[in-house]
Amino acid sequence: EVQLLESGGGLAQPGGSLRLSCVVSGFTFRRYAMTWVRQAPGKGLEWVSGIDTSGGGRHYVDSVKGRFTISRDNSKSTLYLEMSNLSADDTAVYYCAKVWGSSVADPSDLWGQGTLVTVSS
Amino acid sequence: EIVMTQSPATLSVSPGERATLSCRASQSVGSHVAWYQQKLGQAPRLLIYGASTRATGIPARFSGSGSGTEFTLTISSLQSEDYAVYYCQQYNNWPPYTFGQGTKLDVK
Repeated sequence: EVQLLESGGGLAQPGGSLRLSCVVSGFTFRRYAMTWVRQAPGKGLEWVSGIDTSGGGRHYVDSVKGRFTISRDNSKSTLYLEMSNLSADDTAVYYCAKVWGSSVADPSDLWGQGTLVTVSS
Repeated sequence: EIVMTQSPATLSVSPGERATLSCRASQSVGSHVAWYQQKLGQAPRLLIYGASTRATGIPARFSGSGSGTEFTLTISSLQSEDYAVYYCQQYNNWPPYTFGQGTKLDVK
């Protein structure tokens, strides 16, 4: 069974940090690009970051550049999102998603259930 | 950044009838548009990619069309499980990929 399981969400202080993880199973992780997409409460979807199969190609939406870092460990079938200098605007459910090909430039065909990040004092 | 604009914001359709959802891109994205369905409390599900290709396991009542800047998702005969929010996404000019703001499909 294919699974993407996010963890690491929770309450963070403004200016604080969190590290999200996404452990995958049921497919060959190293063959696919991966992305993070977030959804603020009651709002639409926002693509946050994507990474290619090797981890050498990383891309971000402007609003998180310099604050978020995407990475992957193919030996552990795990995707990460390091988030720092958090603000209230980062409050959202963060979804880990598999890209249906090896290029980051493709849609996401499998999604995790999401992990909630709340930034508040 | 390409802006994707969906219309209408809310669409009320009776079960068994056809639903037509629209998505407009602020500049040409070729056929690099995907559609997702999201039910309350659930993750999005990929329905359509390449503007018109159904993803694996998606019923034939879902169809997509369009190219350039105008795209349409059609659900030919609405079933109870189809009531949800639908998002279009462009993946032609990136980063970032951009989503539309969503169309909520509800029961008339």
